[in-house]
Amino acid sequence: EAGVAQSPRYKIIEKRQSVAFWCNPISGHATLYWYQQILGQGPKLLIQFQNNGVVDDSQLPKDRFSAERLKGVDSTLKIQPAKLEDSAVYLCASSLGGYNSPLHFGNGTRLTVT
Amino acid sequence: AQTVTQSQPEMSVQEAETVTLSCTYDTSESDYYLFWYKQPPSRQMILVIRQEAYKQQNATENRFSVNFQKAAKSFSLKISDSQLGDAAMYFCAYRSSNSGYALNFGKGTSLLVTP
Repeated sequence: EAGVAQSPRYKIIEKRQSVAFWCNPISGHATLYWYQQILGQGPKLLIQFQNNGVVDDSQLPKDRFSAERLKGVDSTLKIQPAKLEDSAVYLCASSLGGYNSPLHFGNGTRLTVT
Repeated sequence: AQTVTQSQPEMSVQEAETVTLSCTYDTSESDYYLFWYKQPPSRQMILVIRQEAYKQQNATENRFSVNFQKAAKSFSLKISDSQLGDAAMYFCAYRSSNSGYALNFGKGTSLLVTP
């Protein structure tokens, strides 16, 4: 089966610019997650979707971050305006949903804000 | 909120030897899953092994095994016969229905394998 696809692989922007990341989950996976991984730390959940509805976005900085999952398949994560502290790897993961289904991760997007 | 603690930022092991990575967690729940993920330089998170809290038997996957101590809230990973390809960041993670089935990660342990 094809894995979780993410693009771009790398992105460099200046502070106050905007950026968007794209994720295509494994076909049939209802649940989609966006994680932020700052260098030297473990991934932190930003937002979780179940189909096209938001399950948890409690750690998403909503003043600058937004995410959508139209039609319950692909998802886009946007940052506007970016800050230096947003430099991180952004990981997308998907699962069938429920307790027993493992998360499958993409290769992530490395964002550098200068 | 559940917290996952990995107290070893870095570990080193010689090829063919055995190494144990530590993980402790804090929770008031009785039903949950614990995981170990490997993250090589490619950045993709790869599931190594998982343990259901209600199962007393420790999980094993080939050269990887865990020591799950529920009362002590400890979940260590043992890698036997270490190989150069095992070098990576290892993350311990917790999952429960109360967290919406999302994974809650520790800070990770960097494993170096020397020839």
